[in-house]
Amino acid sequence: EDQVTQSPEALRLQEGESSSLNCSYTVSGLRGLFWYRQDPGKGPEFLFTLYSAGEEKEKERLKATLTKKESFLHITAPKPEDSATYLCAVQAVGGSQGNLIFGKGTKLSVKP
Amino acid sequence: DSGVTQTPKHLITATGQRVTLRCSPRSGDLSVYWYQQSLDQGLQFLIQYYNGEERAKGNILERFSAQQFPDLHSELNLSSLELGDSALYFCASSVAASGAYEQYFGPGTRLTVT
Repeated sequence: EDQVTQSPEALRLQEGESSSLNCSYTVSGLRGLFWYRQDPGKGPEFLFTLYSAGEEKEKERLKATLTKKESFLHITAPKPEDSATYLCAVQAVGGSQGNLIFGKGTKLSVKP
Repeated sequence: DSGVTQTPKHLITATGQRVTLRCSPRSGDLSVYWYQQSLDQGLQFLIQYYNGEERAKGNILERFSAQQFPDLHSELNLSSLELGDSALYFCASSVAASGAYEQYFGPGTRLTVT
């Protein structure tokens, strides 16, 4: 069964304290891995798509990397406005559907 | 703003009732997905439509149904509502039916069943 596990469930950082969020996945074949940011009561906001092991993408203080079994979201010198829940999702190869399988997310809190 | 719109933002109704949630995809997107987000389950895929046709089904209850209209907007119908159906319902859209295209999410509809 395809599944996505994110860790930790919650992470508290001081402003400027860099860290990483983990996303482990098990799929029959990976078509793409997606990172989203979700603020309370809002819809997920697209951040990155990664397609193959070794790929990296960056946006401001965020950098996403991908291996054959997991992905990391590195947050460098975070600011309070980076506080949100970060969701990882995969799209599996096979079939005609394009739905995403989501992890339960990591809730990040950044204190000033 | 993702370009995906959903109405209503909030819905409060009683058990046994029926409601309709509406979604308009981003301009140019042909594929619409519905997801349910509850506190304990996270985001769960319900159903996908592509250019008016049902494309895939996930963990959608028989009491739930959806359709996509010629103008590409979609509606999710929830009937015989139960307390456990209280959740956030999100619509997402993408340009294609499959392939690793990013999905853009709407702001969601918060359904409360009392």
